[in-house]
Amino acid sequence: AAGVIQSPRHLIKEKRETATLKCYPIPRHDTVYWYQQGPGQDPQFLISFYEKMQSDKGSIPDRFSAQQFSDYHSELNMSSLELGDSALYFCASSGTFSGQGEETQYFGPGTRLLVL
Amino acid sequence: AQSVTQLDSQVPVFEEAPVELRCNYSSSVSVYLFWYVQYPNQGLQLLLKYLSGSTLVKGINGFEAEFNKSQTSFHLRKPSVHISDTAEYFCAVSTWPMDSSYKLIFGSGTRLLVRP
Repeated sequence: AAGVIQSPRHLIKEKRETATLKCYPIPRHDTVYWYQQGPGQDPQFLISFYEKMQSDKGSIPDRFSAQQFSDYHSELNMSSLELGDSALYFCASSGTFSGQGEETQYFGPGTRLLVL
Repeated sequence: AQSVTQLDSQVPVFEEAPVELRCNYSSSVSVYLFWYVQYPNQGLQLLLKYLSGSTLVKGINGFEAEFNKSQTSFHLRKPSVHISDTAEYFCAVSTWPMDSSYKLIFGSGTRLLVRP
């Protein structure tokens, strides 16, 4: 079965640079979530989109922005990167067509971002 | 606000022994409860979930969990573990429709270490 795809899988950036993370949800899933997992920590919710509109917002820095496109893929844009942004960034998707409910999220493998 | 507490940061156990990973949540409203597993350098995989109905839920890989509303707990159990169960286990809660999305609040995780 198709899963959530994230690219790139690994990314190395310098401080103050920008980064763009991409997420391709499971086909026919209409909701995307972004989470940040720092080293040795639990995942923290950043932002979510439903049908291309922002549906919820968590502890996402103002330096970060995200959007969901017409094909339902999503991008997380991160500017003025800081050392503390080094983390694993997960995307998850859900949808009522998956045989599960909208409440069940399926996670991608994550993008590991290292800021030097 | 809702929160999730995983009381044990690490649980060592011998192969073929039973195991219980503890999870307690705090919420003044109804919740959906989930257990996810994270293998090293991988994403989060859904083990099982409780939405409503029977308080004993069965998941993949022989895991099960019991929802106890009076004790606000959702402990994960397996009668006989394998070396391959060594991983990080996260308990998570979602409180839609109180929130505008099904975002997940995670516990701090429990590392299950299975020894031969």
